[in-house]
Amino acid sequence: DADVTQTPRNRITKTGKRIMLECSQTKGHDRMYWYRQDPGLGLRLIYYSFDVKDINKGEISDGYSVSRQAQAKFSLSLESAIPNQTALYFCATSDFGREHNEQFFGPGTRLTVL
Amino acid sequence: ILNVEQSPQSLHVQEGDSTNFTCSFPSSNFYALHWYRWETAKSPEALFVMTLNGDEKKKGRISATLNTKEGYSYLYIKGSQPEDSATYLCAFTDKLIFGTGTRLQVFP
Repeated sequence: DADVTQTPRNRITKTGKRIMLECSQTKGHDRMYWYRQDPGLGLRLIYYSFDVKDINKGEISDGYSVSRQAQAKFSLSLESAIPNQTALYFCATSDFGREHNEQFFGPGTRLTVL
Repeated sequence: ILNVEQSPQSLHVQEGDSTNFTCSFPSSNFYALHWYRWETAKSPEALFVMTLNGDEKKKGRISATLNTKEGYSYLYIKGSQPEDSATYLCAFTDKLIFGTGTRLQVFP
């Protein structure tokens, strides 16, 4: 079983719809992250959390919100999806005490906003 | 905004060729530099975490060096194989800034 899972793996939605992407981990890591990947732009950090209820904005947080209600789960919401949020979204975890924040990635969620 | 740059953007080599690519990052306030390997349709996976100036790390045919004073890291692949085809990402932490990657394709 994968240590970091994401649901759904693929999603097509329409402009204006509310979307939630879920991330779960069994690694016991305290830190969790959401990134988006766009062609030619690499991975960009949306939000991150160092512990339950701890939320921090990343480079591109506008238009997104997150929730960390349990150590193992970190959800990303798009309150009103727009086409330029079409991207590949990755969740990642890390344990600060090991290997200087080495990231462990989930399989990704491909989101298309029409 | 801190910038992490990788070059070249893409690279095509023949099986057996050795190759290298570069990650450039801000030389001030260095914390750590990570290299990740990202195969198509999979998730990025960590290759190396480098923390000290002069660090050299090796895993099989892949190795990396680090120069924190001048702000660069090199990734080397000796005797490239088709299974090395992937995008190689570097990340400058703890700011969690990723470069755009070098896409390597190795032809048989």
